[in-house]
Amino acid sequence: NAGVTQTPKFQVLKTGQSMTLQCAQDMNHEYMSWYRQDPGMGLRLIHYSVGAGITDQGEVPNGYNVSRSTTEDFPLRLLSAAPSQTSVYFCASSYSANQGQPQHFGDGTRLSIL
Amino acid sequence: GESVGLHLPTLSVQEGDNSIINCAYSNSASDYFIWYKQESGKGPQFIIDIRSNMDKRQGQRVTVLLNKTVKHLSLQIAATQPGDSAVYFCAENAGGTSYGKLTFGQGTILTVHP
Repeated sequence: NAGVTQTPKFQVLKTGQSMTLQCAQDMNHEYMSWYRQDPGMGLRLIHYSVGAGITDQGEVPNGYNVSRSTTEDFPLRLLSAAPSQTSVYFCASSYSANQGQPQHFGDGTRLSIL
Repeated sequence: GESVGLHLPTLSVQEGDNSIINCAYSNSASDYFIWYKQESGKGPQFIIDIRSNMDKRQGQRVTVLLNKTVKHLSLQIAATQPGDSAVYFCAENAGGTSYGKLTFGQGTILTVHP
């Protein structure tokens, strides 16, 4: 049981490039989410999904797309990378979208946009 | 202590002391709260949670206190150890249609000296 697995761990991009950050969980969790963490700040919600085929925007969705074709996977796509998207990205999952469910996090993808 | 929206505070203690990390939240509709520990290079790790119908909850060496009147949350760590050194985040769920969306505080850096 690996929990939440994120790949890659590190990535450097040039402005304008696109890429997909991968997130997979093996806990059969319904709810998955993406956060970004910037220096000196807490995590901010980008997008989330309450189940396969359902996604919605969080606090800071601009510049990012997501899809949820399976329960296990929730990739995050940067369509045209900008320096402002330099950050550490965390994926999380929880058993359901109901309240009172602790979310479990992966170890992050550290992304630098030049 | 920390507050959702303020700068990152620090707390320095001696090994064996008790630590208290504070968090002020702003949304009176929040009804679920979580404390996370984040070590360098890792994702947030769930410590303990509490629902708004409770004032106190205890875990192993940790206690969370919730004061809804003043919208204040605290994490108490007993007999603090060097391995407890990390950044600690509180997070709140606003309930209603917010599903699993969490709003994070900006964190408190805990340093434990041997």
